[in-house]
Amino acid sequence: GENVEQHPSTLSVQEGDSAVIKCTYSDSASNYFPWYKQELGKRPQLIIDIRSNVGEKKDQRIAVTLNKTAKHFSLHITETQPEDSAVYFCAAGDDYKLSFGAGTTVTVRA
Amino acid sequence: EPEVTQTPSHQVTQMGQEVILRCVPISNHLYFYWYRQILGQKVEFLVSFYNNEISEKSEIFDDQFSVERPDGSNFTLKIRSTKLEDSAMYFCASSEAGYNEQFFGPGTRLTVL
Repeated sequence: GENVEQHPSTLSVQEGDSAVIKCTYSDSASNYFPWYKQELGKRPQLIIDIRSNVGEKKDQRIAVTLNKTAKHFSLHITETQPEDSAVYFCAAGDDYKLSFGAGTTVTVRA
Repeated sequence: EPEVTQTPSHQVTQMGQEVILRCVPISNHLYFYWYRQILGQKVEFLVSFYNNEISEKSEIFDDQFSVERPDGSNFTLKIRSTKLEDSAMYFCASSEAGYNEQFFGPGTRLTVL
C-alpha cells in the first residue's frame, strides 16, 4: 500500500518568514496530493491540492510542488502569520483512498 | 456553505459493546469515507464507499467494522465489539467525485472503557 513520509515533524518560524514541508510517497499509481490544515480539536481542512498532471500550483501565500519522478511533493507557505500555526498533513492517493503523512506542527512566532 | 455533519460528537462505551457512528455527507456528493485519528497521531484511512458499495478498505477495517448508507442522506460506521484500541476520533468525509476535495466532518470522539 501507499506509504507517505512527512518532514519535519515540527517547524518553528518567525512571523513573515517562509515555511517548507516535504513529503515523499511510495505508490507511483497515486495521482492526487492534497494538503490539510488541522487546528487543535478541529477537523482537517483542505488548503491546497495538486494532481499528477501538474507540477506546481499556487494560491496566494501557499504553493505546492510535485515531482512525480522522485515521488515527492512540498508545501511552501510564504509571509507566515500567527494564524498559520497548526498541524499540516500531506496526503497521497486516488479516487478511493488517501494515505496521510504523520503531520508537521507549525508554530509561527510573533 | 454545506458541511458534513456527524453525530454524536462524543461516544463513551464499554469494551465489547457495539457502536454506530453517524454521518450526513454533503447532499450532492457521491463518494464517502471514514477515517480515524488516534490522539496526537496521523489520520488513517478506514474505508471508502461509492455507488452503494465499499470501494476500498484498509487493514484496520476488519470484520468488526461495517458501513452502510441506510437512506439517501446518512452514512454509518458500525463497530460490532469495541476494543480499547478503537478509542480515537472518527472522521467522516465526502467528495463530489474522485480526485476532488474531500470535505471532513467535525468528528466523533469514541472512548472505549
